[in-house]
Amino acid sequence: DGGITQSPKYLFRKEGQNVTLSCEQNLNHDAMYWYRQDPGQGLRLIYYSQIVNDFQKGDIAEGYSVSREKKESFPLTVTSAQKNPTAFYLCASSIADEVTSYEQYFGPGTRLTVT
Amino acid sequence: GQNIDQPTEMTATEGAIVQINCTYQTSGFNGLFWYQQHAGEAPTFLSYNVLDGLEEKGRFSSFLSRSKGYSYLLLKELQMKDSASYLCARGDSNYQLIWGAGTKLIIKP
Repeated sequence: DGGITQSPKYLFRKEGQNVTLSCEQNLNHDAMYWYRQDPGQGLRLIYYSQIVNDFQKGDIAEGYSVSREKKESFPLTVTSAQKNPTAFYLCASSIADEVTSYEQYFGPGTRLTVT
Repeated sequence: GQNIDQPTEMTATEGAIVQINCTYQTSGFNGLFWYQQHAGEAPTFLSYNVLDGLEEKGRFSSFLSRSKGYSYLLLKELQMKDSASYLCARGDSNYQLIWGAGTKLIIKP
């Protein structure tokens, strides 16, 4: 089955610790995205990548880092510099061309709680 | 969301019709997209409009007026499983999606 997976579904960390959220897809999509979702707000773009070994900052990249060493994988690290890390994190992928890049396929999400 | 407005919550009755409106900033517009998100789950793509008019897909239809910066999602013959949030998103000139905050739709029997 083709799809996009994120693990774990729930993650708990102490303040001051870095944590890495995984995202893997076997859809052969070139583009991958990380979003953050908070109650009452739209999805906000953290980072995106259109091709292996290249990625771009989104609207709220501060306190986060990513890598794209393989087409299938786009892990997100939430660093201790991120002031409000508790949120629902969604990874998505799409074909990287003009219109179909907007049809994004999402993973099930990781709910991160930092105390 | 950035310059995308949609109602926070709506309530409708099973079997009825509901229309969820979305207004957006027209500059750099590159299509209007609707996603469905059940509580605690990932959004799933429903429809998109690039040109003016109505696009029908079974019980769901989406309408776009580019000159007015306006779209709506129409859901017919509502079922309990349609209880979800409906996210309106605008494509921008960098092939990114700008998301609204979503409309939580509550279906009552």
